[in-house]
Amino acid sequence: AQSVAQPEDQVNVAEGNPLTVKCTYSVSGNPYLFWYVQYPNRGLQFLLKYITGDNLVKGSYGFEAEFNKSQTSFHLKKPSALVSDSALYFCAVRANYGGSQGNLIFGKGTKLSVKP
Amino acid sequence: DAGVTQSPTHLIKTRGQQVTLRCSPKSGHDTVSWYQQALGQGPQFIFQYYEEEERQRGNFPDRFSGHQFPNYSSELNVNALLLGDSALYLCASSPGRNAYEQYFGPGTRLTVT
Repeated sequence: AQSVAQPEDQVNVAEGNPLTVKCTYSVSGNPYLFWYVQYPNRGLQFLLKYITGDNLVKGSYGFEAEFNKSQTSFHLKKPSALVSDSALYFCAVRANYGGSQGNLIFGKGTKLSVKP
Repeated sequence: DAGVTQSPTHLIKTRGQQVTLRCSPKSGHDTVSWYQQALGQGPQFIFQYYEEEERQRGNFPDRFSGHQFPNYSSELNVNALLLGDSALYLCASSPGRNAYEQYFGPGTRLTVT
């Protein structure tokens, strides 16, 4: 089965501290992985993707993600959190087969709260 | 450069009614995908349109149908609305069926009472 799991419903960090939002995936073949962010009453904004190559991917707004094939994980990270990073974060994998092929399978989302 | 636009922003309908949602893709994009995001959940893929035909379909009933026009814009139609159809409906566009990135619009919030 093709799926994405985000084990934490919410992550709380203090401003200036590093943050990690966890994601694990299940898909056959090579995974194409994505992170999106959603602010209240807004659509999804693309942060970064892993297609191939370097396991550390850099994206928008200082975010990066580390692809780990053996652990089937794609955790989102940022060295120093900002209050403005508070939002809902979604991990997604591109479906490789079936009716959804070529489209995105999303996790349930993780709410990130950054306190001053 | 306009991004993906959707209309209307909000919509309230009654059970059993029909609804049409609209999407204009990002300039240069010819592929449109629709997703349903229920409250507290991640988006779920409904279907994808390319060259005015439905190319892929997720696990949604036939009450959900769509259309793509020659200018690449798209409509999502839902018949016989159920309370469970209340959700944020997101449109995403991409430059081709096999493009990796999808660009999302702001969504249409549908409430079924």
